[in-house]
Formats: sequence, structure tokens, C-alpha cells
Amino acid sequence: DAKTTQPPSMDCAEGRAANLPCNHSTISGNEYVYWYRQIHSQGPQYIIHGLKNNETNEMASLIITEDRKSSTLILPHATLRDTAVYYCIVRVVGANNRKLIWGLGTSLAVNP
Amino acid sequence: DVKVTQSSRYLVKRTGEKVFLECVQDMDHENMFWYRQDPGLGLRLIYFSYDVKMKEKGDIPEGYSVSREKKERFSLILESASTNQTSMYLCASSSIRDGSSYNEQFFGPGTRLTVL
Repeated sequence: DAKTTQPPSMDCAEGRAANLPCNHSTISGNEYVYWYRQIHSQGPQYIIHGLKNNETNEMASLIITEDRKSSTLILPHATLRDTAVYYCIVRVVGANNRKLIWGLGTSLAVNP
Repeated sequence: DVKVTQSSRYLVKRTGEKVFLECVQDMDHENMFWYRQDPGLGLRLIYFSYDVKMKEKGDIPEGYSVSREKKERFSLILESASTNQTSMYLCASSSIRDGSSYNEQFFGPGTRLTVL
């Protein structure tokens, strides 16, 4: 699975959009991009995933560049409850590849 | 909602004790995972299971064993606990039922184990 690079920490003002970048320059054509987050003292929580096209759900939007070498997770109106560590993971989807390889993520602090 | 529960939130054991960490999921998921999480090291996979009685080693299986006798339950066993196994232990499950195995993993709340 390809490796990802994320900034270790970011700040965001409450109510503003939080844009979390992720580099995955060695991603291959059959690898998806996943985002999870982990709020303090809880287990990680799935947010969103995508292959090529931009994706949006009730939690966030995922923007993947055309060359797929980087992506951005967007929290459109960050709240204090969005303070968490955000993990970007790339991996091949398939029954033979069940493991996710976790990096250290980005610690997002949403400030009042 | 998928629910993954772990037997304890906090656990304190002594060096040399045998420790059992239990994980139960209620969504009939095929895959179950045990991770440990340490500051500066992130989540590391210890073992995973893709079916009853089936298991595969993850990245750091040394000092651990697992048991999956029923589909909903996955146990992590520390045969002889040591201080370097003090950590946060996280259980997760995922489904392959739809065939895509896109692997959204559902996590339990974690067990913070301290070995004295």
C-alpha cells in the first residue's frame, strides 16, 4: 500500500472550513483514499473514501487531484467537536487486502 | 448502528499475569482486528481474523495470541503480560458482504491496559 504524508497539526476557527491535506504521490491506480478521525479517548471513526472523483457525505467532502497524488478533506463548517486526529490512508480494496496501514495523522484543533 | 464493544475501558494487571481482552460486534462482520496505539507510533495491527477460527498475524504479533470461536467475538490474549505491553488496545470489525470489501472499519472504544 502507498504511503501518505500529512502535516502533524493544524488549527481552524470554529465555523470556518477546515482543509486537511494529504500527499500520496506513490498511489497506484487501484488504490482508494480513506479518511478516518479519532476524537480523544475514542476509537477511530470512518469519514469518507474515494478513488478518482470527488466525494461528499454528511460529514465531509473529499477532493482528489486529477493525478491522484494528493487529496484534501474538507470539513465545511468546523465545530469544536471536530477537534480530533485525522488519518489519511490509501489502500487496495479487495478481500485479500483487509489491512489498513495507519500513519500518525493530523491533529486538528478547532478554536472558538 | 454497528456496535463494537470491548470488555473493559481500563485494566491494570501485574507483570506475568495472563490477560484476556474481549471484543464483541453485533453486525455479523466477517473481519475483526486488534490494534495497539502508542504515542508517536500510531495504530499498529497485532492480529486480524477473517472468519471463525481463522487468524493472521499483523505487524506486531509477538507476545500476543488471539481466539475467534464465534463470529461475533474476537479475543486478544497476553500470555504473560509485560510492562512494554502497557498501551491502548483497539478492536475493530469490517464486512465484506457487499463484495467490494471497501473496508470501513468500525472501532470499539478501546481498553487502556496498564501492566505494573
